[in-house]
Amino acid sequence: NAGVTQTPKFRILKIGQSMTLQCTQDMNHNYMYWYRQDPGMGLKLIYYSVGAGITDKGEVPNGYNVSRSTTEDFPLRLELAAPSQTSVYFCASGGINPKDQPQHFGDGTRLSIL
Amino acid sequence: DQQVKQNSPSLSVQEGRISILNCDYTNSMFDYFLWYKKYPAEGPTFLISISSIKDKNEDGRFTVFLNKSAKHLSLHIVPSQPGDSAVYFCAASASTNAGKSTFGDGTTLTVKP
Repeated sequence: NAGVTQTPKFRILKIGQSMTLQCTQDMNHNYMYWYRQDPGMGLKLIYYSVGAGITDKGEVPNGYNVSRSTTEDFPLRLELAAPSQTSVYFCASGGINPKDQPQHFGDGTRLSIL
Repeated sequence: DQQVKQNSPSLSVQEGRISILNCDYTNSMFDYFLWYKKYPAEGPTFLISISSIKDKNEDGRFTVFLNKSAKHLSLHIVPSQPGDSAVYFCAASASTNAGKSTFGDGTTLTVKP
């Protein structure tokens, strides 16, 4: 039972480079999320999706883009990497009702922008 | 303005004693609350939750208490074990936007043998 799978686990980027963080879930959850966690801080919502073809901004969307072409996949795109985007990124999936289906998280992608 | 606050960044307790982690919220629309546990190099995992229609929920050694009038909830771990050492996040959601949760900054619990 894989749950939520994130790749890569680690990445170092140069300023101005772009990359895509991959996220796949096998629990048939409608909702998917991208968070970032900066040192000593909580989880900040970047983008979320309520189903295939539907995405919406969270608290900190600037500098990121997402797409949701299937129920399973929710990639996060960084177009022009900046040092402020150095963080740990977590993908999660969950049901419409957190009472029945709380969020399940991947193990994170640690990203450094130099 | 932070809607979910965990004012204690860290907590240290002796094995076998009680651990109490606190969380405050400001948004009156929140009606469902969750606690997540996170080990280093892993993602958070769901621990326990409570609905606003209740004031207490138990699951083994873990109990969550909710005081709606004070907009405060707490997680009690009894007895604490070294394996409980982790970061604990409080999260809140509203029925009107049930798919989204707002997280606190976390409390790092250290249980000493």
